Amino acid sequence: QKEVEQNSGPLSVPEGAIASLNCTYSDRGSQSFFWYRQYSGKSPELIMFIYSNGDKEDGRFTAQLNKASQYVSLLIRDSQPSDSATYLCAALGGTSYDKVIFGPGTSLSVIP
Amino acid sequence: GAVVSQHPSWVICKSGTSVKIECRSLDFQATTMFWYRQFPKQSLMLMATSNEGSKATYEQGVEKDKFLINHASLTLSTLTVTSAHPEDSSFYICSADPEGTEGYTFGSGTRLTVV
Repeated sequence: QKEVEQNSGPLSVPEGAIASLNCTYSDRGSQSFFWYRQYSGKSPELIMFIYSNGDKEDGRFTAQLNKASQYVSLLIRDSQPSDSATYLCAALGGTSYDKVIFGPGTSLSVIP
Repeated sequence: GAVVSQHPSWVICKSGTSVKIECRSLDFQATTMFWYRQFPKQSLMLMATSNEGSKATYEQGVEKDKFLINHASLTLSTLTVTSAHPEDSSFYICSADPEGTEGYTFGSGTRLTVV
């Protein structure tokens, strides 16, 4: 069983819509969760991190964490074509200790 | 913000040769750095954890004699791909965890092509 799972997509949304990206993790001891954005051929860049149950908002981005369900999500409001990228969910802690374990990523395409 | 500098950005080498990739933390000290490999359309796979002043810790399935890691100072870790083969062609990325920040900072990556 993969430790961090994501729907590979591609997920297509029209410009201005809300994009919803989902992630589940298997290690119940994981403590911190991250969303990275990766453009093709580039290295990942951190968008959001969350470690408490509930919602965390930063501009157009909202991360949601539900530890009981072992579920993390990222909402992107007012999606822009520049948001088109692969979004990687990552978990830290638990049996992986200080290693960040990445999910396979979800490809998002925002259609103008 | 914390910056991790990685060089070279891309390299082409012949089969059987060795390639060294450098990863530097520019404005912070990194006792630990992480090396990832990413094949096209796949996620990042952790190869090894580089520890300053001690041996690296390799993930299962990663050949430590092929992927030599040296972390001789608090700001520099190097990955040397020895006797490279075409199947080693990949995107190699290093990362570090700056103290006081959340999330790991990644280098810009190195695109290795072995011909």
